[in-house]
Amino acid sequence: QQPVQSPQAVILREGEDAVINCSSSKALYSVHWYRQKHGEAPIFLMILLKGGEQKGHDKISASFNEKKQQSSLYLTASQLSYSGTYFCGTGLSGSARQLTFGSGTQLTVLP
Amino acid sequence: GAGVSQSPSNKVTEKGKDVELRCDPISGHTALYWYRQSLGQGLEFLIYFQGNSAPDKSGLPSDRFSAERTGGSVSTLTIQRTQQEDSAVYLCASSLELAPYEQYFGPGTRLTVT
Repeated sequence: QQPVQSPQAVILREGEDAVINCSSSKALYSVHWYRQKHGEAPIFLMILLKGGEQKGHDKISASFNEKKQQSSLYLTASQLSYSGTYFCGTGLSGSARQLTFGSGTQLTVLP
Repeated sequence: GAGVSQSPSNKVTEKGKDVELRCDPISGHTALYWYRQSLGQGLEFLIYFQGNSAPDKSGLPSDRFSAERTGGSVSTLTIQRTQQEDSAVYLCASSLELAPYEQYFGPGTRLTVT
């Protein structure tokens, strides 16, 4: 079953923060976050494995709440280059590695 | 090093014709995945190859779709008797054998069935 992403779209000004959520009704092994710009391939951002970890690099970080089967992607002090569609992909186990993707969150950063 | 490559980048075909889409994974990546992305939609899993194991075909939408992987490297996705609803971007990804299995995507093949 497809994970649910929220919000579907968000518009913010350069320097503002945003949070994108990804929820699943199934027990998850992993959550993968990707950003895709129009007409381009999805770019890998980060992966979180079950265990409730939090990861981050630069001003983009993410958390994984195993109890809630929910992951959140945090974008702080957003830059124009952050614009794109963000997808979460969920994996159910380490052996079945195909991902089920949410429908995406369209993020637009305005100057 | 080189990323995942796919060819052709664009393919226009007539309804009823067969098409072949090619994926060349990152060198050393033993896992290979095919996904499909329809306009404005998320990615839909199609098929997954891992080493010499039997592929996981659970995402293939119909028996018109098939894929093979030769020599544990290059993969070909074949769609027979194409239909207009097959129009989409077909994305290939690859990953290492080891956890945490980050998947890296190719640029995709945009298939248009007229």
